[in-house]
Amino acid sequence: NAGVTQTPKFRILKIGQSMTLQCAQDMNHNYMYWYRQDPGMGLKLIYYSVGAGITDKGEVPNGYNVSRSTTEDFPLRLELAAPSQTSVYFCASSYGGSKNTGELFFGEGSRLTVL
Amino acid sequence: RKEVEQDPGPFNVPEGATVAFNCTYSNSASQSFFWYRQDCRKEPKLLMSVYSSGNEDGRFTAQLNRASQYISLLIRDSKLSDSATYLCVVNIRSGTYKYIFGTGTRLKVLA
Repeated sequence: NAGVTQTPKFRILKIGQSMTLQCAQDMNHNYMYWYRQDPGMGLKLIYYSVGAGITDKGEVPNGYNVSRSTTEDFPLRLELAAPSQTSVYFCASSYGGSKNTGELFFGEGSRLTVL
Repeated sequence: RKEVEQDPGPFNVPEGATVAFNCTYSNSASQSFFWYRQDCRKEPKLLMSVYSSGNEDGRFTAQLNRASQYISLLIRDSKLSDSATYLCVVNIRSGTYKYIFGTGTRLKVLA
């Protein structure tokens, strides 16, 4: 049982480049989330999904896109990287609805630097 | 005003001390409350949920005051291993996606 797996762990991008952060969970959770955490700040929700085929914007979605073709996977795409997207990105999952206990299961994070 | 506010600290305390953190939230419709722990450069992990009647887990005690809209975390007999950032988290509607994270309070337990 791997939990939530994120790749890559580290990446340096040049301004204007694109990339995809991968996230997979094996706990059969229907809810998945992408957060970013800037130094000394709390986590900000970028996008979330309540199930395969369903995604929606969080607090800070600009510059990102997501898809959820399966229950397990929730990739985050950066189309035109900007220095403001330098951050640590966390993917998380949880049960939704009546099974939700409030516990979010996080991946280990992906540290992205845009130069 | 931030939706969830915490004193960033750091709180530097000696081993064995008792330390308390507070967190205030602005949305009176908030339904579920949690404390998460985040070690340096690691992912957050659930420390404990916070129930209306207050709850205890070993050396940790959490309290909720809905009237004043604040949550507290008390750590007794601090250990070096308690050094971390403690994140206050509020769920606006239980069972939904909307978790609001505070910026965290840093704790350093000194030998």
